[in-house]
This record gives sequence, structure tokens and C-alpha cells, in this order.
Amino acid sequence: EVQLVESGGGLVQPGGSLRLSCAASGFTFSSYEMNWVRQAPGKGLEWVSYISGSGRTKYYADSVKGRFTISRDNAKNSLYLQMNSLRAEDTAVYYCARDLAGTTGPVDYWGQGTLVTVSS
Amino acid sequence: EIVLTQSPGTLSLSPGERATLSCRASQSVSNNYLAWYKQKPGQAPRLLIFGAYSRATGIPDRFSGSGSGTDFTLTISRLEPGDFAVYYCQQYGSSAWTFGQGTKVEVK
Repeated sequence: EVQLVESGGGLVQPGGSLRLSCAASGFTFSSYEMNWVRQAPGKGLEWVSYISGSGRTKYYADSVKGRFTISRDNAKNSLYLQMNSLRAEDTAVYYCARDLAGTTGPVDYWGQGTLVTVSS
Repeated sequence: EIVLTQSPGTLSLSPGERATLSCRASQSVSNNYLAWYKQKPGQAPRLLIFGAYSRATGIPDRFSGSGSGTDFTLTISRLEPGDFAVYYCQQYGSSAWTFGQGTKVEVK
């Protein structure tokens, strides 16, 4: 069974940093492209970042470029999101999301999400 | 960045009725790389359609996707109680994916 379990969310002050982790199981992690997608409270979905299976290719939304860094450790079946210079508008549930096999883009599995709150 | 505009914002229908949801892109979506998701309160989204018209695994044929270029449609032929939710479109034809703002399908 495919499982994606996020951790690392919490309350952080504006300008602070946080590192999110996603533990993957039930599939060959290195064979899949992965993403972070977020959802502000009561709002819609916003794609944040993408990473290829090897980790060599990365994309970012303009809203987080230069502040967030996506990475993965295929030996540990883990995905990460390092978030720096956090702003109030980064407050959201952050989902770890797996791309559909053989494609880049559509997400077929999502974690349960971890809440990040940026507030003083 | 490609902006996706979904309409209507809210659709009020009864079980058994047909739902037609629209997603319009600000520029042509490359290779019709357009997906649809359903999200219920407190849950993660679920993939319904990818590549504009291909149903994801386990999705009943009541759900169908159509369209190309800048205009896409999700049709639910006969609404069942579990279909009342928020639906999002997503384009993945560029290196910066975007979602629409969502259409809420509610019970009339």
C-alpha cells in the first residue's frame, strides 16, 4: 500500500525557517517524481515544487523561488522541503504528492498533509 | 504562468442530475496536459482525470473529461451523494504547474 507521511510542520515566526519531511513507503520511491502542494486555510490548491526521480531536475512556483528548496534521499525513501524566509502567506497545509507513473504532473497519491503556520 | 479559471464557482444540483464544470486556460495547455481532482472537506484531493480525458484508476465512467487547447470540461453524468465536493483542474504542460480556484458542487 502506498503511504506518504509528512512531518515537520508547526508554528514559526515570519522570517524563520522550517524543514518538512515526507516518508514514503509501498512503492519504489526512486522511480517516481514527487511534489509539494499546499493549501491555505479555506483556499484552493497551490503547486509549490517538483523534483525528478533522480533529484537532478527541480521546479518551483514563483511564489517560493529563492526561498524554498526541494530535495530527496532515495536511500531513505524521503522527500524534503526546506523553507526559509517564511511569510504569513506561506501559512498552509503542505501535502507531499506523488506523480502518476510514467507521467510528470498528475498526482495519484497524496499524504495527509502537515500544517505550517507563520505568525508572530 | 498559465492561469486557470473555473466556472461556475458553485453548482447547486440534485442527486441524479448531470454536472458540467468548466476550466479555461489563459493560454493553450501543452499536449492537453490537464487534470481534474475532487476534494472533500478534511481530505486530500483525489485524481479523477489526466491528459484531459483519461480516467484515473478506479474512477467510474460517470466521470468524463473533454476539451483541448484552452477550454476543458469535466462532466459527471449522474450525481451520486459522494460526488458533492470541490473540484479542481490542474495544468501540467509547463514547468510551473497551476490549479484553478475550484468549483463547489453542492446539494440543491
